[in-house]
Amino acid sequence: DSGVTQTPKHLITATGQRVTLRCSPRSGDLSVYWYQQSLDQGLQFLIQYYNGEERAKGNILERFSAQQFPDLHSELNLSSLELGDSALYFCASSVNSGETQYFGPGTRLLVL
Amino acid sequence: AQSVTQLDSQVPVFEEAPVELRCNYSSSVSVYLFWYVQYPNQGLQLLLKYLSGSTLVKGINGFEAEFNKSQTSFHLRKPSVHISDTAEYFCAVSSRGSTLGRLYFGRGTQLTVWP
Repeated sequence: DSGVTQTPKHLITATGQRVTLRCSPRSGDLSVYWYQQSLDQGLQFLIQYYNGEERAKGNILERFSAQQFPDLHSELNLSSLELGDSALYFCASSVNSGETQYFGPGTRLLVL
Repeated sequence: AQSVTQLDSQVPVFEEAPVELRCNYSSSVSVYLFWYVQYPNQGLQLLLKYLSGSTLVKGINGFEAEFNKSQTSFHLRKPSVHISDTAEYFCAVSSRGSTLGRLYFGRGTQLTVWP
C-alpha cells in the first residue's frame, strides 16, 4: 500500500458525460501528478500540481481539467467523454516537486 | 525531452531462472531512473530507483538494476525468479534536478514466469 488513495476504483459511463476522479496523496506529500494508461498510448503524464498550484502540463486534452484543494487532495475532471477516453487513470504523489513518486491503485474508466 | 525504450514487450522465463529486462533511455540532460512493477489489476509499485552514487542499485523482491551512462541503459535483473514475479514492469526517467519531476515511461515489459 503506497498511501495514495483514489476513488472510485471503477467507473462506467456514456459518451458525452462528465466524471470526476479523486485522489488523496500520501500524508505530507505536497505534489500530485495525474497519468493516463491506455493500450494505445501507454503511460502518459497529464498534469502536476504542487501545493495547490498547477506546475506542469503534459498531454492533457482541453476537455480535461484538474485542481488541488487546500487539504492537498486532487480531482481530475473529464468532460464530453469519448470512447477513446477509456483508460486507467493514476494519481501519484511526492513530498516535493521532482522527488520520487508513489502511485495510487488507479481508477478504471470505461466509456460506452 | 526524454524517451524510454523497453526492448522486449514480453519475456517468458521458467521459475528459478535468471532474468534481465532491458531499458534504454534518451535524454539531453542528466536523469533519474526508476523501475515500477504493476501486478494484475493493481497500481504501480516502486521497485527501485537510481538518483546518484553507486551505479548498481538494489530494490525490493530481490531485483537490482545497473545504470550505464555510456550506453544510456538501466537494465533490471533478478538471479532467480518466482511465479509471483509475473507482472508488467515499467522503466521510467525524469530530469535530474528538475523541480517538475514528470515521469516518462517505457511501454512496459510483461514478465511471465512459468513453473
